Formats: sequence, C-alpha cells, structure tokens
Amino acid sequence: EAAVTQSPRSKVAVTGGKVTLSCHQTNNHDYMYWYRQDTGHGLRLIHYSYVADSTEKGDIPDGYKASRPSQENFSLILELASLSQTAVYFCASSEGGGLEQNTLYFGAGTRLSVL
Amino acid sequence: AQKVTQTQTSISVVEKTTVTMDCVYETRDSSYFLFWYKQTASGEIVFLIRQDSYKKENATVGHYSLNFQKPKSSIGLIITATQIEDSAVYFCAMRNTNAYKVIFGKGTHLHVLP
Repeated sequence: EAAVTQSPRSKVAVTGGKVTLSCHQTNNHDYMYWYRQDTGHGLRLIHYSYVADSTEKGDIPDGYKASRPSQENFSLILELASLSQTAVYFCASSEGGGLEQNTLYFGAGTRLSVL
Repeated sequence: AQKVTQTQTSISVVEKTTVTMDCVYETRDSSYFLFWYKQTASGEIVFLIRQDSYKKENATVGHYSLNFQKPKSSIGLIITATQIEDSAVYFCAMRNTNAYKVIFGKGTHLHVLP
C-alpha cells in the first residue's frame, strides 16, 4: 500500500509570512503532485515533479514554489502567504510512465488557514 | 488543452439503487487514461477505477463500472446496489499518455439515503 505523508496536517499562517508544506512518500514513486482543494473548484494542480531536482508548473502555480530535493520528498512553498491561499492542500504520488502504473496515491491533506 | 467537466454538483439516491455520475473530458491526444476517485467525509481520497482510451471494454471493479463513450468524450461512473458508505464526493480525472499532468473535475457529491 502506497504511503504518502503530509506535514503539518493543519496550519494557521499570517498574511505575508512564509509557509512550507511537506510531503514524503515511501514507495519509490517517480511522480509527485501538489493539488489545492477549494469548495466548488475540485482539485486543481499547482506543481508536479517527475524526477528529483526538477519541478513543473501545473495549472495554478502563481504564488507557489515547489522543491523536490529527493525522490521521496516534495515541498510546496508559499513565500508570501495571502488570504486567497486558504485551502486544503493534497500531495500525491504515482509511479507514472508505464500503462499500469499511473494511479495516484494521496496524502491526508493539509488544512491551511491564512489570517 | 485538457479539461474535465462534471456538471452534477450533488446527487441523492436511495440505498440499493443504481446511480450514474457523468463526466466529459477534452483532450487533443489520441491516447489517454481516465480515472475516478472517491473522497470520503474524512477527506481521504482513494482511487476507484480506470479506463484506458485504447480499450473498448468498459472497466468494472466490484460494484463500480464505467460507461466509456469515446465519440462523446464521456466517461460515466455507475455504482450498482449503492450503500450508505458510498456517500462521498466522486472526482473524474484524466491524464494524457505522454504527459505527467493529472487533471480533475470539480466533483459530484453523492448522498445515499436509507
């Protein structure tokens, strides 16, 4: 069973502050993703990565940076947190590549409140 | 560009009946994967079922099955003999074969009533 761990599980941040959300997976997956969930918007892709030391922009990357220092770890960084970034953030991983290996395994989510 | 659309925001059904949730998608690629995921009340998101675009047969897993209509760019999720614990939000998603992005729809909230 794939294991994706997010930390922290919840966080309250101040406007203008820096926030780092962490994700760790133990399944040797190549692909990792950060999604944002807001009511009425479903899951929207922020950043993703298919190899260590490389990240790609998703559909809503503005205001976010990502870092993939190793295959296991993928961080989402909010340099200047804003009220509009209040949401639940999900990390996911996937083997990717071949035809059978592209199921996403999700972490439990991080609830971020920016005040 | 890729796009996934779920027009049904919320559906209510009586338990033990069958429900169909709709999903249409847009892609320029000829090869792609379509998925359905379930988000429970606790927030957990789990994979349910997948359809590969090159396969004509509809995928089936347990009491979940798909209605894949490629000419209509449609991939419906059918749940038969619904149970109270099927109450959740269901997301449709897609990924082009030669891409890494996985795009989701906005979700359909299913309420299964006793």
